[in-house]
Amino acid sequence: AQKITQTQPGMFVQEKEAVTLDCTYDTSDQSYGLFWYKQPSSGEMIFLIYQGSYDEQNATEGRYSLNFQKARKSANLVISASQLGDSAMYFCAMREGRSNTGKLIFGQGTTLQVKP
Amino acid sequence: SQTIHQWPATLVQPVGSPLSLECTVEGTSNPNLYWYRQAAGRGLQLLFYSVGIGQISSEVPQNLSASRPQDRQFILSSKKLLLSDSGFYLCAWSRDISPYNEQFFGPGTRLTVL
Repeated sequence: AQKITQTQPGMFVQEKEAVTLDCTYDTSDQSYGLFWYKQPSSGEMIFLIYQGSYDEQNATEGRYSLNFQKARKSANLVISASQLGDSAMYFCAMREGRSNTGKLIFGQGTTLQVKP
Repeated sequence: SQTIHQWPATLVQPVGSPLSLECTVEGTSNPNLYWYRQAAGRGLQLLFYSVGIGQISSEVPQNLSASRPQDRQFILSSKKLLLSDSGFYLCAWSRDISPYNEQFFGPGTRLTVL
C-alpha cells in the first residue's frame, strides 16, 4: 500500500493566486513527521516545511503553509501568492518514528506550473 | 551553516564500467547520511544509509555499494554498471533518525548508462 499519496500529477495556477497541493499518508505509527520538498528543473530537493504528528498548530513558513488534518491523514501544502519561480515539482514525504533508518518515504510528486 | 556537496553533477558511462559518486557534508559532525535514487518523474527511493564511519546499511539489493571512509564523506560505487542504474542520485544528511528532523539534500548527480 502507498504510504504517501499525491493524487495530482500536474497543477496549473495563475500568478499571485493561491494553490493547494494534496497529500494523504498512511501509517500506524503515532510519531511521525511530514515534509514538503520542492524540486525545480535543476534537480535539487529543497526543504520547504515540516509538520510533526503531535503539532496542534498548522505549520507556516513564509508563503507556505501546511493544512494538517490528522484524522483524515492529510497534509496539504498551500502556497499563497504564487510566483513564476514556484513552478517546480513538489514532493510530500514522511519519516516514521519506528523506522530504524530515519528514511524519508516520498509520494510520486505534483508538477506545478505558474502562469503569468 | 551546513552545506552538502555532490560530484560529479552529471556522468555518462558505458555499461560494465565502474562508478564512484561522492558526497561530502560541511558544518556538522556525525550526521546520518543517505543515498537516494530518483527515476525520471518519480519519487525517491532509499538505497543506503549510514549512522557513522564504516557503518553502512542497504535498503534494497542491487548492483551498487556504499562506503563512509570519513565522518562527513559518503561514496556510492559500482564495479560494473547496468543500464538500469541510470537515474538521478541524491545524497542527504540529517542530525539523527528522529521523525521530527528534516533531511537536507545535495544538488544530485545525473547518471546515464549507455
